[in-house]
Amino acid sequence: QSVLTQPPSASGTPGQRVTISCSGSSSNIGSNTVNWYQQLPGTAPKLLIYSNNQRPSGVPDRFSGSKSGTSASLAISGLQSEDEADYYCAAWDDSLNGGVFGGGTKLTVL
Amino acid sequence: QVQLVQSGAEVKKPGASVKVSCKASGYTFTSYGISWVRQAPGQGLEWMGWISAYNGNTNYAQKLQGRVTMTTDTSTSTAYMELRSLRSDDTAVYYCARGNYGGNSEGRDDAFDIWGQGTMVTVSS
Repeated sequence: QSVLTQPPSASGTPGQRVTISCSGSSSNIGSNTVNWYQQLPGTAPKLLIYSNNQRPSGVPDRFSGSKSGTSASLAISGLQSEDEADYYCAAWDDSLNGGVFGGGTKLTVL
Repeated sequence: QVQLVQSGAEVKKPGASVKVSCKASGYTFTSYGISWVRQAPGQGLEWMGWISAYNGNTNYAQKLQGRVTMTTDTSTSTAYMELRSLRSDDTAVYYCARGNYGGNSEGRDDAFDIWGQGTMVTVSS
């Protein structure tokens, strides 16, 4: 059972916009920043979004992040086949005094 | 280029210890912290802990306290993660990752912007 809650799966067709939610509590998302990672099959995770809504250099602007209260979301617009991957949210948890991840969302491009 | 290169796969018996290395290159090693994250087969990501490459300060996940030790060797720009008293549920891919964007937050606000390739650790009798 992950501290941060994500839907196990999401899907969309090429060109569509999809969103992935991440729900937490006052001790994690509610008081700390959220990061998002993309993991392609058989590879290490890749940072997509940091500090709730900032994109590292090289990440397409099709990817965007937002946070409100104890929830966060990752949006992917103009969906492409190469976006098919697992997506994880992450944050610091003050009660655990450690990092926590969501359980991951498997995105399928139909 | 900026990269983290980890040591190779390990097979260990229950009760043994494993030490995984993570060699950094392409950046000033002591300017960033290193976190360790593991992923059991078919499962999600789990944060294990953080170490400052600047002063060696550490912060370990509560569930691993007493079994894990993270260290660094600044002379070789290498971070190490040792896990003791291995159990079958420690079987996982272990990743090191550079912490960035967090300022002087002791890892709390870090995002992991560079990842090692992963090291498979199998615990089996």
